Amino acid sequence: DQQVKQNSPSLSVQEGRISILNCDYTNSMFDYFLWYKKYPAEGPTFLISISSIKDKNEDGRFTVFLNKSAKHLSLHIVPSQPGDSAVYFCAASFPLWEAGGTSYGKLTFGQGTILTVHP
Amino acid sequence: NAGVTQTPKFQVLKTGQSMTLQCAQDMNHEYMSWYRQDPGMGLRLIHYSVGAGITDQGEVPNGYNVSRSTTEDFPLRLLSAAPSQTSVYFCASSRGLARNEQFFGPGTRLTVL
Repeated sequence: DQQVKQNSPSLSVQEGRISILNCDYTNSMFDYFLWYKKYPAEGPTFLISISSIKDKNEDGRFTVFLNKSAKHLSLHIVPSQPGDSAVYFCAASFPLWEAGGTSYGKLTFGQGTILTVHP
Repeated sequence: NAGVTQTPKFQVLKTGQSMTLQCAQDMNHEYMSWYRQDPGMGLRLIHYSVGAGITDQGEVPNGYNVSRSTTEDFPLRLLSAAPSQTSVYFCASSRGLARNEQFFGPGTRLTVL
């Protein structure tokens, strides 16, 4: 059962426009969410995160929005650049006190979305 | 700092063979983990460790063993390789908790024939 889902396998955007990547989750116990970016033949790198007590977090061109009632988060990239072309994974973490305090914030990842930004 | 290193980069095995994927980090991170990446499945947690001598299972642990004798090293052992274990394997580490920024290695691409 996929608890974190990225329903769009790919997204194509023109340089300078906004990229919006979406992620849905099914378990309302998740309390922390992250986005990772992955280039071919490299490991993923951390991009941005958000706690469930917030609904928005910004870092430069990247903004993550969280809608807890809809169990939905999105990553906005404005403006998009060709160097942003990569696979983007969203991930979710249970509270640290879950499972008797042994979750250590283990991450559950979505399937990934391939973003292509055209010059 | 080399960060997280993984060896080998590529490996081809025959069904039933065993091997060890190596992972090392030089950031003194407590948390280390192994993931596999398969098309359409994202990254799935195999095993993780919260410190030397402490390991636990993740989402897909069957067919894999781990140990953590030092803070730096976290090898992943395939006991008897199966074609279903064909995948790209990533090792990652973070300070303290998995939800902190995890640093990933470059990955090992494994093919089991």
